Amino acid sequence: DTEVTQTPKHLVMGMTNKKSLKCEQHMGHRAMYWYKQKAKKPPELMFVYSYEKLSINESVPSRFSPECPNSSLLNLHLHALQPEDSALYLCASSQDRARPVSGNTIYFGEGSWLTVV
Amino acid sequence: ELKVEQNPLFLSMQEGKNYTIYCNYSTTSDRLYWYRQDPGKSLESLFVLLSNGAVKQEGRLMASLDTKARLSTLHITAAVHDLSATYFCAVDSWENNDMRFGAGTRLTVKP
Repeated sequence: DTEVTQTPKHLVMGMTNKKSLKCEQHMGHRAMYWYKQKAKKPPELMFVYSYEKLSINESVPSRFSPECPNSSLLNLHLHALQPEDSALYLCASSQDRARPVSGNTIYFGEGSWLTVV
Repeated sequence: ELKVEQNPLFLSMQEGKNYTIYCNYSTTSDRLYWYRQDPGKSLESLFVLLSNGAVKQEGRLMASLDTKARLSTLHITAAVHDLSATYFCAVDSWENNDMRFGAGTRLTVKP
């Protein structure tokens, strides 16, 4: 099973709303990632959790708040977003971020399409 | 800062032809990934390359890595229409604690 599950698949929210995106994997991976992808652009790294600790925060605005409750779950809490935050949000996971002895594929979920109105 | 440059950005080719996509990066890398993305879909992992001289092949696609030149290539052999998609390389740099994608190559294979 190489599945990363994201919910919801589609989300429309107002600029004053609070919502959350959820991500789950059961591959025993200890690194989890959030990416943002705008149309016709590459994914941009937002956050990386390694062993449930935030290891990379790419200067993301505070209206995006990540949370890693346990090694299988990753949330992205959304509050007071702007229309320009509308994008595809991708969650991913990998075995870990240690120096590799062997390949360490990063598996992506199907994404959550977010529209801010 | 880790920078990843991919070219060409757009590639239109005929079925049966060969072509190569290039991925240059600016710092030492620990892993080099190639992904495929179809319109409206997520990313599908194609290859993970670790060491200098690594070569991996799957069907009509072959990826290689030259860490000294900081260059990876994705070679397409005898293209077919089903290969039409956007292809991304991504570099994971442990030293820089960073991972970045190239801009992507939008490949169209015409009959």
